[in-house]
Amino acid sequence: DAGVIQSPRHEVTEMGQEVTLRCKPISGHNSLFWYRQTMMRGLELLIYFNNNVPIDDSGMPEDRFSAKMPNASFSTLKIQPSEPRDSAVYFCASSFLAGPQETQYFGPGTRLLVL
Amino acid sequence: SQQGEEDPQALSIQEGENATMNCSYKTSINNLQWYRQNSGRGLVHLILIRSNEREKHSGRLRVTLDTSKKSSSLLITASRAADTASYFCATDSYNTDKLIFGTGTRLQVFP
Repeated sequence: DAGVIQSPRHEVTEMGQEVTLRCKPISGHNSLFWYRQTMMRGLELLIYFNNNVPIDDSGMPEDRFSAKMPNASFSTLKIQPSEPRDSAVYFCASSFLAGPQETQYFGPGTRLLVL
Repeated sequence: SQQGEEDPQALSIQEGENATMNCSYKTSINNLQWYRQNSGRGLVHLILIRSNEREKHSGRLRVTLDTSKKSSSLLITASRAADTASYFCATDSYNTDKLIFGTGTRLQVFP
């Protein structure tokens, strides 16, 4: 079975541009998570969905960030406008059931560089 | 904010040796998990230990939990070069429904 799929794997863009990251969770999984990883701040939870509904977006850094999950098999994380400090690796993860005790399956990540 | 802090930050050992990593956390927890991250890859779940458990094994992994000291340790026995990765602890608590990851330990196993 395919794991969590993320695209693109690498993105280089200029400050001010819109960036859209995409994620396809494991089929049948009901929870989806977006994380950001940097050397300075480690792994941070940005937002998570249960059954396509956003549950907690308190980790979204500011209004420039938005996330959607239009159906059970697709989610996007958008940054508009992007800034150099957004440079990081963004991970999508999914779990079969809701709840922090559930095993999360991570995608390979999108490495974003904003110049 | 980070709940867990791993110690040491980095560890280098020879193949065949045991590797021990520690995780300390701040608030009472429900469960503690360990994840591995190979360079340039996503995290992979290794093991979960519940707050009422003291020790758990999975293959060459041994995890202990001391809730009185708010700490956990991950022992990898007979390490292999393929164990080279970063290891993260992650906790969930009674007052949150999120998993909070620690700072990670970078393990290097030399062949």
